[in-house]
Amino acid sequence: SSELTQGPAVSVALGQTVTITCQGDILRTYSASWYQQKPGQAPVAVLYGSNKRPSGIPGRFSGSSSGDTASLTITGARAEDDGDYYCNSRDVTGLLYVFGTGTKVTVL
Amino acid sequence: QVTLRESGPAVVKPTQSLTLTCSVSGFSLSSAGLSVAWIRQPPGGALEWLARIDWEDDKYYSSSLRTRLTVSRDTSKNQVVLTMSNMDPVDTATYFCARMTDFDWPLFDSWGQGTLVTVSS
Repeated sequence: SSELTQGPAVSVALGQTVTITCQGDILRTYSASWYQQKPGQAPVAVLYGSNKRPSGIPGRFSGSSSGDTASLTITGARAEDDGDYYCNSRDVTGLLYVFGTGTKVTVL
Repeated sequence: QVTLRESGPAVVKPTQSLTLTCSVSGFSLSSAGLSVAWIRQPPGGALEWLARIDWEDDKYYSSSLRTRLTVSRDTSKNQVVLTMSNMDPVDTATYFCARMTDFDWPLFDSWGQGTLVTVSS
């Protein structure tokens, strides 16, 4: 299966740490990337290759992977980290792509 | 500076075909390793990857939609075109184009602002 499942929502207090997960059998083979999306805007990549940050993404975003689960951790959450987060990976063919179901992160 | 911009009709009728254009600047559609992908998002819903055309003009389509999708490019105009046939109200969504690389890891590194397409009679 190429499905990627994420929890629907999570909240975190300002300055605290939150981890969101993405689960799917395909993650045993391929790494995940993560995208942040704010209302009315296009997604922005925050991690790729499980734990690499694109230029301009702050160090409080980190990633890891174990078995069929990829994780995104925000350490010291800031108000601007509020938004929806989607994981992404290749599908079982290795040629196509699939997005996760999305997790809404609320910074309190 | 890399930019992508989607254009196309805001409303299409059921059973009609949809044609969207992605106009790009700041990179070449023929640059090795670069692709342009299409992704959509229904209102309040999740992202869904649709298709990709790479620097060698190879095309890849979502398994669930491949019979309805066609992607092509015009390198002289720096444009990528997506056509989706037999539109249905469930295809109502914001359609994004994005530049992507996929060497060791896929990365959609630049996105257009998206265009909302409503399917309604």
